[in-house]
Amino acid sequence: QKEVEQNSGPLSVPEGAIASLNCTYSDRGSQSFFWYRQYSGKSPELIMFIYSNGDKEDGRFTAQLNKASQYVSLLIRDSQPSDSATYLCAVRWANAGGTSYGKLTFGQGTILTVHP
Amino acid sequence: SAVISQKPSRDICQRGTSLTIQCQVDSQVTMMFWYRQQPGQSLTLIATANQGSEATYESGFVIDKFPISRPNLTFSTLTVSNMSPEDSSIYLCSALQLLMQAEAFFGQGTRLTVV
Repeated sequence: QKEVEQNSGPLSVPEGAIASLNCTYSDRGSQSFFWYRQYSGKSPELIMFIYSNGDKEDGRFTAQLNKASQYVSLLIRDSQPSDSATYLCAVRWANAGGTSYGKLTFGQGTILTVHP
Repeated sequence: SAVISQKPSRDICQRGTSLTIQCQVDSQVTMMFWYRQQPGQSLTLIATANQGSEATYESGFVIDKFPISRPNLTFSTLTVSNMSPEDSSIYLCSALQLLMQAEAFFGQGTRLTVV
């Protein structure tokens, strides 16, 4: 099993719909979770992070974390064509220790297309 | 959030040559990292750049191929040595500003093409 795995894409939703992006991860102790958005030809941009079980909302974005089931998801409400991008899930394992602390392990990314 | 500047933003290089990529952060950061993103792929960590000591490399990456320096808390370089077409990728610098519960930010990346 890959350490971080995202639902296969590409994902296409109509404008105004809810886009749901999912990510599962290997259990290696305490973790932090990040969602990045990457437009074509650009570097990743952090849009959400979550550390605790439950939901975290920021504008149109909601991150959901379920540690018992080892998944983290990102919901985008009222999707817009400008949301079309690759979404990257990343995990940081806090017990990596030493000089490995802080590194991120990324999923393979999910391409989202929001069509008018 | 910290602002990370990378240069060059892109380059086309001949095989067998080396390229050094620079990463400058506008404030002191705890950790700096170098990632590679091959065409159509996700990000893979190359190494953690340690201030004042040798970098910590991930499996599959070695110092002879990717020497890294970090002379202070705001600057790091990555060299891609003896390049081959397989090294054509985007190379990204990342930084953490705080030790605990920190969010990593990325530079704009260096798009390298080896011919």
